[in-house]
Amino acid sequence: GIQVEQSPPDLILQEGANSTLRCNFSDSVNNLQWFHQNPWGQLINLFYIPSGTKQNGRLSATTVATERYSLLYISSSQTTDSGVYFCAVERDSNYQLIWGAGTKLIIKP
Amino acid sequence: EAQVTQNPRYLITVTGKKLTVTCSQNMNHEYMSWYRQDPGLGLRQIYYSMNVEVTDKGDVPEGYKVSRKEKRNFPLILESPSPNQTSLYFCASSWTIGNEQFFGPGTRLTVL
Repeated sequence: GIQVEQSPPDLILQEGANSTLRCNFSDSVNNLQWFHQNPWGQLINLFYIPSGTKQNGRLSATTVATERYSLLYISSSQTTDSGVYFCAVERDSNYQLIWGAGTKLIIKP
Repeated sequence: EAQVTQNPRYLITVTGKKLTVTCSQNMNHEYMSWYRQDPGLGLRQIYYSMNVEVTDKGDVPEGYKVSRKEKRNFPLILESPSPNQTSLYFCASSWTIGNEQFFGPGTRLTVL
């Protein structure tokens, strides 16, 4: 089956720093989403981005489907950005989201 | 407000006592699914439904049942819960397959 790999697994930054999270996937997909899971466990949709670039405030994402990767950029980090960031993809031949293991981000004040 | 709701949010129960976790969405979405999240294993799909009366197994369906009698509701049923079903459960919905999925707040289940 399709493999989804996220890097780095852990990231500790000072408030105000910028970061780039990466998601690699091993096969063609028809959907890619980025989520933030907050410390209370809630999953928050960040981007639906099967291809191209999107921006939402301090966050932006780029997916290059032909090269099978996606990047999530966080600029001017805040402590509320802490949590786990997941990339999830949907396969062409099956209609379920396959999840990466996540990047755990800690923003220190 | 467009949302996916789940109830209960937290549940502690004992082995063998049947339980139902409800899921409801108010966005008229066709596609709904259930996931469980376990440490080190990430999120895995339990069941999904592409429309009313149409359900299918995901990767980890053993020990679970679902039904889709109405478009808005997709309950998850554990007929005889066991401790290995202790997990964080999420319900999700989308317009149809291949579209952005929206997640409920999660149900933290503990089976003693």
